[in-house]
Amino acid sequence: DAMVIQNPRYQVTQFGKPVTLSCSQTLNHNVMYWYQQKSSQAPKLLFHYYDKDFNNEADTPDNFQSRRPNTSFCFLDIRSPGLGDAAMYLCATSRGGQGSHEQYFGPGTRLTVT
Amino acid sequence: EDQVTQSPEALRLQEGESSSLNCSYTVSGLRGLFWYRQDPGKGPEFLFTLYSAGEEKEKERLKATLTKKESFLHITAPKPEDSATYLCAVISKAAGNKLTFGGGTRVLVKP
Repeated sequence: DAMVIQNPRYQVTQFGKPVTLSCSQTLNHNVMYWYQQKSSQAPKLLFHYYDKDFNNEADTPDNFQSRRPNTSFCFLDIRSPGLGDAAMYLCATSRGGQGSHEQYFGPGTRLTVT
Repeated sequence: EDQVTQSPEALRLQEGESSSLNCSYTVSGLRGLFWYRQDPGKGPEFLFTLYSAGEEKEKERLKATLTKKESFLHITAPKPEDSATYLCAVISKAAGNKLTFGGGTRVLVKP
């Protein structure tokens, strides 16, 4: 089945220690998104790629970076995690363009900062 | 700026007790309205897309409807496995590829 895969599912890092979360997709979608979701809140968009074009949200901290080396993979780098960055990180994809705009989400990575 | 408001925030139902969730939206040119289901500790699962007023979609015990100002998610004869948070989101012509989410409705169905 075509899907969005996130690794790892659970990640523990220390305060200030860089961490990378990964996302891959077999849907061959043009757009890949990274969201941050905290308890009992809606997902908050951090940034997205339309093909190779990077689109950052205005309120995304500089501490958060992303890379998309090819169509299938996208990475979220947190350069110096703080305690406030503990959250669920969700990757999503959509076809983009004039096609359907449904976003399909991966299972998420739960990040703990100690 | 696009806005989405969901009500109620939480809903407790007895098994078999039908109910409706509301999603009110304000957008400049709706391109689509989406319903997702999210179980604790998991990513949102896509349920429905609605594009224009009067449109309806059904899946098992769920039925989504759309007007020019709001959408309803009707849950008919719910079962405990329907317990989840239901998220509504919109995409507007001005927003490009970005969704605007509502705060969600947490549904608990008791046996």
